Amino acid sequence: SQTIHQWPATLVQPVGSPLSLECTVEGTSNPNLYWYRQAAGRGLQLLFYSVGIGQISSEVPQNLSASRPQDRQFILSSKKLLLSDSGFYLCAWSPTGAGDVREQYFGPGTRLTVT
Amino acid sequence: GQNIDQPTEMTATEGAIVQINCTYQTSGFNGLFWYQQHAGEAPTFLSYNVLDGLEEKGRFSSFLSRSKGYSYLLLKELQMKDSASYLCAVVDSNYQLIWGAGTKLIIKP
Repeated sequence: SQTIHQWPATLVQPVGSPLSLECTVEGTSNPNLYWYRQAAGRGLQLLFYSVGIGQISSEVPQNLSASRPQDRQFILSSKKLLLSDSGFYLCAWSPTGAGDVREQYFGPGTRLTVT
Repeated sequence: GQNIDQPTEMTATEGAIVQINCTYQTSGFNGLFWYQQHAGEAPTFLSYNVLDGLEEKGRFSSFLSRSKGYSYLLLKELQMKDSASYLCAVVDSNYQLIWGAGTKLIIKP
């Protein structure tokens, strides 16, 4: 069976500090991978998605970046955090297949507070 | 632009039935998902509709009308554990998920 891991679970960082959130998927190959952010009481905002190693699509211009160094690893980074970066960060995966609809499965999330 | 509308909050009584509506205006349509999200947790998949009609899965059912750009999630025999947010998401013409803001469902004894 497939599982998705995210860490850390919670993080408190000062403004201007760097960020690295990691997500890994087990039990599947060549998944589509996604990073979302959810502000308190709000819906999901897609930040990045990837259909393969080194292939990253950005949905929202901001001070965040993403990388996919391995097939089942997805990393969200920032060089300098802003207060507005606070939120609940969710990684998700779906089975591969362009033009094919699949449900997304979410990791447990990272709650980031920028102080 | 693309838009998905859901009520912000609903309240229902334990044991009752509740219907959560979702209307959408998107560039193309390739299906609609419903997810459940308990406070502080990740969303979990509930249902997927791509054809018109009702899909039943235990106490939960989901309905779709593509011509009306409308879906609803029906929850029967409500339990306290059903207190959660319910997210509607539409797959657009680029096969990307467009998410609604979610409906917070409060269940009272």
